[in-house]
Amino acid sequence: AQSVAQPEDQVNVAEGNPLTVKCTYSVSGNPYLFWYVQYPNRGLQFLLKYITGDNLVKGSYGFEAEFNKSQTSFHLKKPSALVSDSALYFCAVRDMRTGRRALTFGSGTRLQVQP
Amino acid sequence: GAVVSQHPSRVICKSGTSVKIECRSLDFQATTMFWYRQFPKKSLMLMATSNEGSKATYEQGVEKDKFLINHASLTLSTLTVTSAHPEDSSFYICSARGLTGRDEQYFGPGTRLTVT
Repeated sequence: AQSVAQPEDQVNVAEGNPLTVKCTYSVSGNPYLFWYVQYPNRGLQFLLKYITGDNLVKGSYGFEAEFNKSQTSFHLKKPSALVSDSALYFCAVRDMRTGRRALTFGSGTRLQVQP
Repeated sequence: GAVVSQHPSRVICKSGTSVKIECRSLDFQATTMFWYRQFPKKSLMLMATSNEGSKATYEQGVEKDKFLINHASLTLSTLTVTSAHPEDSSFYICSARGLTGRDEQYFGPGTRLTVT
């Protein structure tokens, strides 16, 4: 079975500082990994994905994530946080081996950027 | 491109009534649509996967007779919550996957259902 863990319920960071939102995954085959952001009472917006290739993936709004196979991690990062980045962030995985199309989501991490 | 809409965005209904939620892919054809349910401050839980023209595949623990899913065309899937109860109150989100084979799912804005 595939699973995703986001160990932090909330991350607080000051505006202008770098931010990291952690994600680890477990799959039996090769993972497709995704990050989504959700603003209040809204659906999810795609940020970035890793399928294959470079371990460092660049996405929307200046976000990036690094795929680390040995640590089974896919942490989301941004060099300089903005107050407008405050939102709920979800990591998701799809196990290519199972052929299952649906994504499995982590529990979400609330990012709070303080001015 | 790749816009998914949901209607209604909010609905309040009385206990025992049925509610239909529509999910539309506006600028692409969606071979597969997914329905998720999100509880407050919780993650998205997959309810079912629907493929155009075939029966939906429900996740374990999801009552298929209560949550009726119809995917009648490549741009429309509907979720009907039958005989709604207050515990069905939740945020329902659909997503759609297109024909291109790319693995991105495009999410609708969600529907807030409140059953009184």
